[in-house]
Amino acid sequence: DIVMTQSPDSLAVSLGERATINCKSSQSVLYNSNSKNYLAWYQQKPGQPPKLLIYWASTRESGVPDRFSGSGSGTDFTLTISSLQAEDVAVYYCQQYYSTSSTFGQGTKLEIK
Amino acid sequence: EVQLLESGGGLVQPGGSLRLSCAASGFTFSNYAMSWVRQAPGKGLQWVSGITGSSNKIYYTDSVKGRFTISRDNSKNTLYLQMNSLRAEDTAVYYCAKDLLSGSYLFDYWGQGTLVTVSS
Repeated sequence: DIVMTQSPDSLAVSLGERATINCKSSQSVLYNSNSKNYLAWYQQKPGQPPKLLIYWASTRESGVPDRFSGSGSGTDFTLTISSLQAEDVAVYYCQQYYSTSSTFGQGTKLEIK
Repeated sequence: EVQLLESGGGLVQPGGSLRLSCAASGFTFSNYAMSWVRQAPGKGLQWVSGITGSSNKIYYTDSVKGRFTISRDNSKNTLYLQMNSLRAEDTAVYYCAKDLLSGSYLFDYWGQGTLVTVSS
């Protein structure tokens, strides 16, 4: 299985400041035939199911605020929240869907400083 | 509006069985692959199993192979997970999830989940 490793495990950021979460895969999730990275980001708030934020590493899901952005390619990826809002407090997960055995990162807990 | 409603969770003894169901609505169910994803208490997400729209391809994570069986009934818009030989480590909230792009294992809609507790 492809192992997804996120850093940091937890993060505290002041309101209005930038938050950055990293995700590294144990092998490339870039599919050369279509040049797409099979990498997604989800947000999970307490007591709720995960919500899809970003897919193909950088495509925002419909309705997701533009302060959320994704970048990276191959094995190294980043989720950036440009200006942290109170409602962004959550756990964030990366996921690879390159292989039929999809795997998630361990999660990054984002809090307000 | 897409809705996914899981049911069938509960308390079961080690070695026991449970059958989870996920009733889907608001989209053409047969056109999309579906998956089960679980989350142990206080832990992260683990993809468990996936099935294509026509049921011609089925996949499992290694830890449940031979014990869990995924299936679907497109006439009833329902996804199932038959869980046998349950272990304490299977304790989790089980979510059903819909593919954004069929066969992608990229999930745009999730149910609220059903809790499975394996304990004596």
